[in-house]
Amino acid sequence: QLQLQESGPGLVKPSETLSLTCTVSGGSISSSSYYWGWIRQPPGKGLEWIGSIYYSGSTYYNPSLKSRVTISVDTSKNQFSLKLSSVTAADTAVYYCARHRGAVETYSGAGDIVVVPAALDYWGQGTLVTVSS
Amino acid sequence: EIVLTQSPGTLSLSPGERATLSCRASQSVSSSYLAWYQQKPGQAPRLLIYGASSRATGIPDRFSGSGSGTDFTLTISRLEPEDFAVYYCQQYGSSPVTFGQGTKLEIK
Repeated sequence: QLQLQESGPGLVKPSETLSLTCTVSGGSISSSSYYWGWIRQPPGKGLEWIGSIYYSGSTYYNPSLKSRVTISVDTSKNQFSLKLSSVTAADTAVYYCARHRGAVETYSGAGDIVVVPAALDYWGQGTLVTVSS
Repeated sequence: EIVLTQSPGTLSLSPGERATLSCRASQSVSSSYLAWYQQKPGQAPRLLIYGASSRATGIPDRFSGSGSGTDFTLTISRLEPEDFAVYYCQQYGSSPVTFGQGTKLEIK
C-alpha cells in the first residue's frame, strides 16, 4: 500500500523559508506513471495546489506562488521536497503531499501544449505549518 | 485560471436521501478533466471521482459523477452516515490546477 508522509518544522518565522519533505513508501517515486504534488489548506478553508514534480525533475507551479516555490525530488531516497520562501502569516496552513494519477496534455491560451498533473489519488496525512514570530 | 464554484455551500439531508452537489466552471473544462474529493475533519481529502465520471479504486457505487463543459455534478444515491463530510471538485484540464471552495454535507 502506497504511503506518503510529510515532515518538517511546524513553526516558521515570518520572512523565512518553509521547508517540507515527503517520504514515499510502498512504491517508487521513479515510476513513469505518476507525478507528485504539494497542496495546502489554511485552517477552516479550501484546498490550494502549490505545485508538482515528475521523477525526472520537471516541475509545475501555481503561478500565484511560483516566485517563492521550489519543488525538488531525490529518487535515491524516494522523497520530494517543498521550499516556500519569504513566508507570511497567510502561508499558515496544513500542507499535504500527494500522488497524481499521471498528467494530461492540454493547450494553453497561446496554443502551446501544456502538461497538467492529473487527479490526486494518494495523500499524506498533512502537516500543520504555522508562520509566527 | 479556471474558477470552480460549488453549490450549495451547505446541504442538509438525512441518511437514506439522495444528495446532488454542483460544480460550475468559469470556462469549459478540457476533456472533462474534473475530479471530486471527500474530506472529513482532521483527514486528508480522498479521491472519489476522476475524469468527471470514473470512480476511484474502492469507492462505493452510490457515488457517481456526471457533466461536461462547465457544469458537473456529484450524486450520492443513498446517503450513509459516513458520507457526511466536505466535498471538493478539482479541475486539471487547464493550468493551474484549481479546486472549488467546497460543499459541506451535513446531517439534517
